[in-house]
Amino acid sequence: QLQLQESGSGLVKPSQTLSLTCAVSGGSISGGDYSWSWVRQPPGKGLEWLGYIFHTGTTFYNPSLKSRVTMSVDTAKNQFSLRLRSVTAADTAVYFCARDRYQGFYFYMDVWGSGTTVTVSS
Amino acid sequence: DIQMTQAPPSLSASVGDRVTITCRASQTIDNYLNWYQQKPGKAPKLLIYIASNLQGGVPLRFSGSGSGTDFTLTISSLQPEDIATYYCQQNYKTPWTFGQGTKVEIK
Repeated sequence: QLQLQESGSGLVKPSQTLSLTCAVSGGSISGGDYSWSWVRQPPGKGLEWLGYIFHTGTTFYNPSLKSRVTMSVDTAKNQFSLRLRSVTAADTAVYFCARDRYQGFYFYMDVWGSGTTVTVSS
Repeated sequence: DIQMTQAPPSLSASVGDRVTITCRASQTIDNYLNWYQQKPGKAPKLLIYIASNLQGGVPLRFSGSGSGTDFTLTISSLQPEDIATYYCQQNYKTPWTFGQGTKVEIK
């Protein structure tokens, strides 16, 4: 069965860049009717969707992140990545990657990684 | 952005009780609505998609209904393992947005 695993920098200094990767195993990132999302959850708070990417490289980013975010996909390594520039303490959160299954125009996040904690602190 | 408002923010119920959580969208979202369950320290888990479709492996005591702006998640008979926070999420329009969550506890 498909599994997702996040990895990357757990501690990032303010104004620097957060970089995370989501490794996909048990299936191909290029197969089927799927896109791939990032979702984050600040400590004690709710969920915020950051954006998604298709295996073709097509992306949609949450405008709340303005121009700070970049998502990319590496089909050869079967993984996708998130970069968030100019981080502040407000970016401290658990970051999840997820698979979005779509049927027509309907999308739903049916497989999730376990999440990785990122702390922004000097 | 479409705002999703859940009620109540938290609830306490007894084992075996019927539990209902509501989710209201700030504009019509047809049936582009999903429900997730999140247990402490864990990733969210998909329960219901397209408003009323039960995800595979999810117990039949969970059900979803609604269309337009008003939606409901129902647990027909609350079990101890249902202790979690529940989130609705719209995928009608990007950016996808979540409700603020409803925390369910056992009385």
